[in-house]
Amino acid sequence: RKEVEQDPGPFNVPEGATVAFNCTYSNSASQSFFWYRQDCRKEPKLLMSVYSSGNEDGRFTAQLNRASQYISLLIRDSKLSDSATYLCVVNKGYGGSQGNLIFGKGTKLSVKP
Amino acid sequence: NAGVTQTPKFRVLKTGQSMTLLCAQDMNHEYMYWYRQDPGMGLRLIHYSVGEGTTAKGEVPDGYNVSRLKKQNFLLGLESAAPSQTSVYFCATADSTYEQYFGPGTRLTVT
Repeated sequence: RKEVEQDPGPFNVPEGATVAFNCTYSNSASQSFFWYRQDCRKEPKLLMSVYSSGNEDGRFTAQLNRASQYISLLIRDSKLSDSATYLCVVNKGYGGSQGNLIFGKGTKLSVKP
Repeated sequence: NAGVTQTPKFRVLKTGQSMTLLCAQDMNHEYMYWYRQDPGMGLRLIHYSVGEGTTAKGEVPDGYNVSRLKKQNFLLGLESAAPSQTSVYFCATADSTYEQYFGPGTRLTVT
């Protein structure tokens, strides 16, 4: 099993749609989870951290399921500006490697008018 | 605040040449990272540092060396560049939350 695995995409959705991304991770000791977005030819930018209780930021909701080792990102009321690649990030989670973050390959989202 | 900066932004090297990429941060973060990003491969960790004077290997360290002599700077060196090192290189920093902040990237071509 890959350390961090994401839906391959691409996801092509109309404006206003709700879209969900899933990500699975292999290391049960991982403690830190994030979603980043990356626009074409730009650096990744932190979208949100993912907490055990789940968290919401406007149209974005992130959830963590430790038992099944997956995290999800839900985007409601999609905007054209949401078009980007979404990266799932998980830390290695043990000893001195806690700062070592593993990135998924990303899922590309394209929101159409 | 500049955040995280990288120099240079672009570089073309010939095989066998050497160069150093500089990452600088004014965020007072302990953690610093160097990644490379290639099409279809996602971001791969080259080396990282958990504090001044420390470095550790990531997923793809071969052919690269790093140094963290000052907290605010993290240098990535290529001693003898190879075409396989053609990539986009990103530097990132993080505090104890591990939330990473990235620089704008360096596009390196090795011919």
